[in-house]
Order: sequence, then structure tokens, then C-alpha cells
Amino acid sequence: KAGVTQTPRYLIKTRGQQVTLSCSPISGHRSVSWYQQTPGQGLQFLFEYFSETQRNKGNFPGRFSGRQFSNSRSEMNVSTLELGDSALYLCASSSEGGQKLFFGSGTQLSVL
Amino acid sequence: GQQVMQIPQYQHVQEGEDFTTYCNSSTTLSNIQWYKQRPGGHPVFLIQLVKSGEVKKQKRLTFQFGEAKKNSSLHITATQTTDVGTYFCAEPMDSNYQLIWGAGTKLIIKP
Repeated sequence: KAGVTQTPRYLIKTRGQQVTLSCSPISGHRSVSWYQQTPGQGLQFLFEYFSETQRNKGNFPGRFSGRQFSNSRSEMNVSTLELGDSALYLCASSSEGGQKLFFGSGTQLSVL
Repeated sequence: GQQVMQIPQYQHVQEGEDFTTYCNSSTTLSNIQWYKQRPGGHPVFLIQLVKSGEVKKQKRLTFQFGEAKKNSSLHITATQTTDVGTYFCAEPMDSNYQLIWGAGTKLIIKP
């Protein structure tokens, strides 16, 4: 089975811009979670989708949004980028959600 | 709210020495999971513990789940350079759809 695929791998944006990140889960996995990882804050949960429905959302501002398509692929969007949004964004898929997560390689976002 | 404390934050060891990381939760858990993240990499699932007092081994790694299902540990015997990375524990929130992550313990091998 192919693993979790995230694109792009690296992204450089400037403040005020918006960005869209993509995640293709493992075939058959219907749950996709998104995490933000920074050296100081560790892994912070953004949101989780299952069969196109957002089931959980972390404590992030409304600038962070996501969606899931019928083929389980997911996207997350960050609008009006701030310097503090610079981080590694990780997507993880699982069959159930919250159980045995398989992570993609992540998108390293730098906001200048 | 539900929290998980993981200690220590760093552990420096000589190659061949043992390594241990501990996680303590504020609540009784249905399960606890362990992940490893190599430098520059992404977290990789290692194991899930479900039963009270459970002990599982993977080669030189030993995972334990406390009797009260509120704490867990990961012990590595005779560390090797391939063990370098950050080890995270993660526990499900009440909804079971979201994981709460420990801060991670970084294993550093002294030169």
C-alpha cells in the first residue's frame, strides 16, 4: 500500500497570503487528521475528518480550515498568514480516527 | 482538561546505555500509543497498549501500561545510533477521535 502523501513538501509564503496543503491518505482509510508541529509547542491537533465530516477541531483560530473529499483526500487552508504560522504541518490517516495514525512526511511552511 | 505529562524532555546516553521515557495522564485511559520521530522525519507508530498492566516487547524496546491505566513507559535496552529521535506517547481524548500528545523525549547519543 502506498503511504500518506502530502504536497507540497516545502512552501514559502509572505505574511497576509493564504496557503492550501494537500493530503492523500492510505487507501481505505477514511479518517484524516491534521497537526501543527513546532519546536516549542510539539504536536498540536488542528482537526480530524471522517467521511467528509469534521468530527473534532483543535484550539486554532478560524484562519485554519480544512475539508475532506469523497475519496478521503483532504486539504487544509490557512488564510491571512502570520509569522507564527511557520511550522511543519503533518497529516495522518487511520481507519478509525485516533487509533494507530500513519503520518505523511509533512509540509514545511515558512512565512516571511 | 485532559493532559499527558511526558518526562524527561531530553536524555543523553552513551551508546550501549539504557533509555527510559515516562508518560502520566490526568485520566484513566482506554489505550496509549507510542510513536517515534527521527530527526527531520515524521512520527511513526510503534505500538498501542490497551490492557491494564500490559507489557509488550519489540526487540530492545519494552512498553508498559500501568495497572491503573494512567501511566506508561518505554524502555530501550542497550541503545544504538538507530534509536536516535524523539519518542512520543499519545492518548485518546474522550471522543476517541483525537489524540493528545506528550511533549516527547528526545534521545541523544553522546559522541
